[in-house]
Parts: sequence; structure tokens; C-alpha cells
Amino acid sequence: GIQVEQSPPDLILQEGANSTLRCNFSDSVNNLQWFHQNPWGQLINLFYIPSGTKQNGRLSATTAATERYSLLYISSSQTTDSGVYFCAVKGGGSEKLVFGKGTKLTVNP
Amino acid sequence: GAVVSQHPSRVICKSGTSVKIECRSLDFQATTMFWYRQFPKQSLMLMATSNEGSKATYEQGVEKDKFLINHASLTLSTLTVTSAHPEDSSFYICSAWGQNTEAFFGQGTRLTVV
Repeated sequence: GIQVEQSPPDLILQEGANSTLRCNFSDSVNNLQWFHQNPWGQLINLFYIPSGTKQNGRLSATTAATERYSLLYISSSQTTDSGVYFCAVKGGGSEKLVFGKGTKLTVNP
Repeated sequence: GAVVSQHPSRVICKSGTSVKIECRSLDFQATTMFWYRQFPKQSLMLMATSNEGSKATYEQGVEKDKFLINHASLTLSTLTVTSAHPEDSSFYICSAWGQNTEAFFGQGTRLTVV
């Protein structure tokens, strides 16, 4: 099945810094989503982005479908951005959403 | 976006008992729902695909007799953990496709078996 790799696994920032999270996938996709898992476990939808670029406030994402990667940008990070960011994809002929292992982000004041 | 509601959010049960978790799509119909399991500090692993009106499809290594799934309507899927043991303690979360095949997730259920 399709493989999803996220990097880095852990990231520690000072408040106000910018960061880039990466998601590589092994096959063509028709769905790619970025999620933020809050401390209570809920998955918050950040972006549905199988291709192209989107922006929402301090967050933006871009997916290069042919090159098989996606990037999540966080600018002017805040302590509330802390948590785990997951990339998940659907593709390779499967109907299942497959998750990467996540990037744990810690933003210090 | 679509709303998926999961209940309960937290449950503690005794070893050997059964626990039912509900997953509802509140503002759309979901012919297919998905159940995931997440261990601490790990990613989400798909357990099974729940299909309205038919049997669920389980991932390799998931015991279908332990994790009973019922998708009796277009807005409700249930996961029953039967004869629970401490090793079944985990975070269980469901999802459904909204428009444009974007997945939306419930709030999750933290199960503790004592």
C-alpha cells in the first residue's frame, strides 16, 4: 500500500518562529489532508490539498503531486500551535486514508 | 465542513465487559465510515471500514469478533469492544467522508480497561 513519511518527527520552536513540515508519499494520491491533533486527541482539519497551494491565516500548504510531497508552513508560531501534525493520503487505488507518523511541534514562549 | 460526533469521549470499564462506541454524521449521510485506533505517541491505524447495510471490512490483524462494527443507518456506525482486556485500552476515533472526499473525524473515545 501507499507509504507516508513525515519529517521532522519532532520540532521545537520559540514563539514567533516559522517552520516547515514535510510529507512524502509513495504513490499518486487523490486526497491529501493535513491535521492538527490537539491535546485532547481531536483531529482538526487544516487543509484538504491533493494538489496546489492554499493559505489560511498563518498556515499555508502546498502539494506537489507529481513530485509526491506536501509541505505545511506555519508562520509566526504561537504556543497554541503545539501538538502533533499529521499528513494523511488516499491513493494508489485504495479507498483508505493512510496516516504518516506525525510531527510533534512544541512552541515555547 | 461536515460534522462527525463520537460518544462517549471517555469510558472506563472492567475487564471482561463490553463497551459500545457510537459515531454519528450529523449533517450529512455517510455510507462508509472508518474506525481507527491510536496508541500513545503513535499514529492512527485503520482498524476497519464500516459499510452501511453490509458487513464491515477489517484490516489485517484486527479481530472481527472482538471489535464488532454495526452500520445500521446512513448516519450511525457503532464499534463494540467485546470482552475487553487491559490491552484493548486505547484511543478510538471514527471518520467519514464529507464532500469532495475530505475526511472528517469524531472527537475520539479514550477507553481504559481496568
